[in-house]
Amino acid sequence: KAGVTQTPRYLIKTRGQQVTLSCSPISGHRSVSWYQQTPGQGLQFLFEYFSETQRNKGNFPGRFSGRQFSNSRSEMNVSTLELGDSALYLCASKGTSSTDTQYFGPGTRLTVL
Amino acid sequence: GQSLEQPSEVTAVEGAIVQINCTYQTSGFYGLSWYQQHDGGAPTFLSYNALDGLEETGRFSSFLSRSDSYGYLLLQELQMKDSASYFCAVSEGGSYIPTFGRGTSLIVHP
Repeated sequence: KAGVTQTPRYLIKTRGQQVTLSCSPISGHRSVSWYQQTPGQGLQFLFEYFSETQRNKGNFPGRFSGRQFSNSRSEMNVSTLELGDSALYLCASKGTSSTDTQYFGPGTRLTVL
Repeated sequence: GQSLEQPSEVTAVEGAIVQINCTYQTSGFYGLSWYQQHDGGAPTFLSYNALDGLEETGRFSSFLSRSDSYGYLLLQELQMKDSASYFCAVSEGGSYIPTFGRGTSLIVHP
């Protein structure tokens, strides 16, 4: 089985711009979660999508949004970028059981200048 | 809400045994997971404990005590390639989405 893929792997944007990141989960996985990882804050949960619906949401401002398509692929969007949004954005997919393991993608490294 | 505490850094020598502790506070505990992340890489799943006791997977073992809100990851016969960050993560019933600790950087010396 192919793993979780994320595109692009690296991105450089300037303040005020917006960005869209993409994640393709493992085949058969319907749950996709997004995390922001920074040296200071660690891994922070953004949101989870399941069957095209946002099922859980972390404590991030409304500038961070996401969606999931019928094929389970997911995108997350960050509008009006701030310097503090520079981070590694990780996507993780899991199966339908509550005890299923989360599998992470390689991440998208976003740098905001 | 949830909070997790784990040491920021641990050092050890090749061949040794190291234990990384994790204490947590959560209202609805469901399970404790451990992940490994090498520099520049993605977190990879190591183990999961939902019940008290020890789970062993090769050189790695994970322990959970729900009454103490405490768990640890035990790494035996350390190898240089074990140098990485290790995260504990707590899942709550309902969402089952893990909340991660800030990670422990393990440095293995020759």
